Amino acid sequence: GENVEQHPSTLSVQEGDSAVIKCTYSDSASNYFPWYKQELGKRPQLIIDIRSNVGEKKDQRIAVTLNKTAKHFSLHITETQPEDSAVYFCAASRATGRRALTFGSGTRLQVQP
Amino acid sequence: DAGITQSPRHKVTETGTPVTLRCHQTENHRYMYWYRQDPGHGLRLIHYSYGVKDTDKGEVSDGYSVSRSKTEDFLLTLESATSSQTSVYFCAISVEGSTDTQYFGPGTRLTVL
Repeated sequence: GENVEQHPSTLSVQEGDSAVIKCTYSDSASNYFPWYKQELGKRPQLIIDIRSNVGEKKDQRIAVTLNKTAKHFSLHITETQPEDSAVYFCAASRATGRRALTFGSGTRLQVQP
Repeated sequence: DAGITQSPRHKVTETGTPVTLRCHQTENHRYMYWYRQDPGHGLRLIHYSYGVKDTDKGEVSDGYSVSRSKTEDFLLTLESATSSQTSVYFCAISVEGSTDTQYFGPGTRLTVL
């Protein structure tokens, strides 16, 4: 089955700096890669996703890049703000069959004011 | 929140007792999932459903069973709860079509003493 590894497990940045979180996946058939943000005690919330036919996607201050050959994808947050502090999860799935997500173990991002 | 509710939101029970968690959706989505979330493990798939009475196992299904007799309800049952099943349980639905985006319910915090 699919295995998703996520690094780093914790990340501390100064407000206004950029943050990068990286994930690798094992199943070459995976073709959907979402990123979720989870605040303490809340549900995971989708913040951005990318499909395998696209190399990069941006939404305001966040962007995701995908390298299918190397089987890795990354989340980039620019101009970080204290409200970006949360746990971020990457995930991977196939668009057919059960479509269930395999998650990375999470990155705790702390943005220092 | 994609019309997903979970009940109960919190539960404390004793080892050996049966427990049923309910996930309810209002938008007629075909795919539904149960995940558990534990520190250091991200979210892991327990069971999923691809239609009424159609269910299958995920990676951590031992000790759990599910049922789906109506499109809107997906039940997760712990036949005889153990302390290792103390966790936060999230239900999710998958929006079919051009995206297979998954949205999560608010979660159920279960403590088995």
